[in-house]
Amino acid sequence: AQKVTQAQTEISVVEKEDVTLDCVYETRDTTYYLFWYKQPPSGELVFLIRRNSFDEQNEISGRYSWNFQKSTSSFNFTITASQVVDSAVYFCALSEARTGFQKLVFGTGTRLLVSP
Amino acid sequence: KAGVTQTPRYLIKTRGQQVTLSCSPISGHRSVSWYQQTPGQGLQFLFEYFSETQRNKGNFPGRFSGRQFSNSRSEMNVSTLELGDSALYLCASSSNRGQETQYFGPGTRLLVL
Repeated sequence: AQKVTQAQTEISVVEKEDVTLDCVYETRDTTYYLFWYKQPPSGELVFLIRRNSFDEQNEISGRYSWNFQKSTSSFNFTITASQVVDSAVYFCALSEARTGFQKLVFGTGTRLLVSP
Repeated sequence: KAGVTQTPRYLIKTRGQQVTLSCSPISGHRSVSWYQQTPGQGLQFLFEYFSETQRNKGNFPGRFSGRQFSNSRSEMNVSTLELGDSALYLCASSSNRGQETQYFGPGTRLLVL
């Protein structure tokens, strides 16, 4: 069965600190996608990144970077030099080929609080 | 391009009533998915529609239903509301050429009293 675990419920950092959000997933599919979404207080889920199971190349986008390791079934997200605007709940999600990739299974989310 | 829109944004109902939520996908997107978000259960998949057909369904009772129109707009209906149906209902759309990203709307916050 598919499952996404975000063990960190809440993380508090001071502005300019680096922070890593952990995500561990379980799936029996060999073809799947992993996602990170950000949910600010307004409630809308904002797409950040998508990774397919065949692409383990790490990615950097500005202050954001993602580390995908199939060997440990992890897809971790690092924010460098955090800012107050990064405060939000971050969700890791998984979709599988057998459901046509349209059913997202979400982790429980990690609330990030960045204080000035 | 305009994003996913959902109406209404907020809704208050009483137990036993029914409710209909609406979702307009991003222009050109043909797949619409619905999710329920509650503090206790987190984000859970309700169902997905493509070309007016339900393709995937989550583990929700039959009180939860949906439909999609020829213009890809979708509605979700919950009948005989229960207190536990209070939640943020999120709609997402994708172009669905197989492995497309889902983009979410702002959600409808439903409170059942």
